Parts: sequence; structure tokens; C-alpha cells
Amino acid sequence: AQTVTQSQPEMSVQEAETVTLSCTYDTSESDYYLFWYKQPPSRQMILVIRQEAYKQQNATENRFSVNFQKAAKSFSLKISDSQLGDAAMYFCAYRGGGGADGLTFGKGTHLIIQP
Amino acid sequence: EADIYQTPRYLVIGTGKKITLECSQTMGHDKMYWYQQDPGMELHLIHYSYGVNSTEKGDLSSESTVSRIRTEHFPLTLESARPSHTSQYLCASSESGDRAEAFFGQGTRLTVV
Repeated sequence: AQTVTQSQPEMSVQEAETVTLSCTYDTSESDYYLFWYKQPPSRQMILVIRQEAYKQQNATENRFSVNFQKAAKSFSLKISDSQLGDAAMYFCAYRGGGGADGLTFGKGTHLIIQP
Repeated sequence: EADIYQTPRYLVIGTGKKITLECSQTMGHDKMYWYQQDPGMELHLIHYSYGVNSTEKGDLSSESTVSRIRTEHFPLTLESARPSHTSQYLCASSESGDRAEAFFGQGTRLTVV
């Protein structure tokens, strides 16, 4: 079974600074997809960024980028120029290829933005 | 905001009551999911559906049941609620395809007293 580990229960960063959230996963599959989701307080969970395992290039979405290290099974999220609206729980998630069912989530990292 | 809705947002109910948590989406997605999220914990998949008349159990064993009579509707039912069912329940939907984004509802926070 696949597992996703987020070793940082909480992170704090000054507004406008850069922060990196860590995620590691364990799988025996070669085809899979990785996601970072954001869950603001009392609001819907939304997708931040996704990465296909077969792509070597790291995904980037505006201020959000990932460092995908397939051999190390590592998938960290970098948030540049942190903003107050970035404060939320961030979940790393895994989905296997070949029509796998649902997402496997990590325990989440609570990101605090200091003004 | 995604077009997926859950009702009620909050529910406090007594032990032994039957409850149904509603989930509807207007995006025409075939796949729908129910996750259970305890405070400070990761989400666990408890049910999913590939389409109408399809329902499957997820990774986490649950005493709840689901139905999928219409594409847009995926309700979750507990026949006899117990305090151990106290949790947050999140509904999600997605298009078919492994890289497809999952869209989540705002969740139902259930408390069984």
C-alpha cells in the first residue's frame, strides 16, 4: 500500500518570505501522480499543484513550485513571496496510475504566515 | 469555488439516530468520493463511485453506506449513529483520468452525542 508522510505538523514564515513544505511517499508503482492541496480554515480544499511521475520537469504554478525527486520519493512544495492568504493546512497526496481509486493523503502541514 | 455542495455543514445528533449526509455536484463528473477527516489527521477514503449504480468501499472501513442513483448525487447514510462516528466528512468529485483534479465540498462536521 502507498503511504504519504509529511514530517512537519506546523511551519511558520514571515510574509513575503519563501517556505518549503516537505513530503515523502512510498510506492512500488512507476506510474503515479502527486498533488498538493490547500485547505483554508472552514473553506473548501483546493488543488495547488500537481506533478506527473513520468515528467522530469518540476511543476510550477505562479508562486508555487515543487521539487520532485523520484528516486528519493520526495515531493516538496515551495511557496515564494508568502502572502497572508496562503495560511492554511497543506496536504500532500498520491494517486496511482492505471485508474486507481481516490487519493492517499499525508497528515498535513499547518502553515502560519507572520505579518 | 467548485460546484460541489454538502449539506448540512454541521450536525449534532443523538446516538442511534439515522442520518444522511448529502453531496451534489453540477460538473457532470463520473467519479465521486467520500473521505473521513479526524481533527489534525489525514483524510481517509471511505467510499467511491465510478458512476451511476457504482459504489465501492475505500481504504478505511466504515459502517456508513452510499448510493449513486444519479450522476450528480452521492449521499452517505449512517443507519445508527454512534459517538465513534464523530468526524468531518468530505465529499469530492473528479473527471475520469488519473491526473484529474479532485474538487471538494466544504465538508460536514458530524458530532454524535
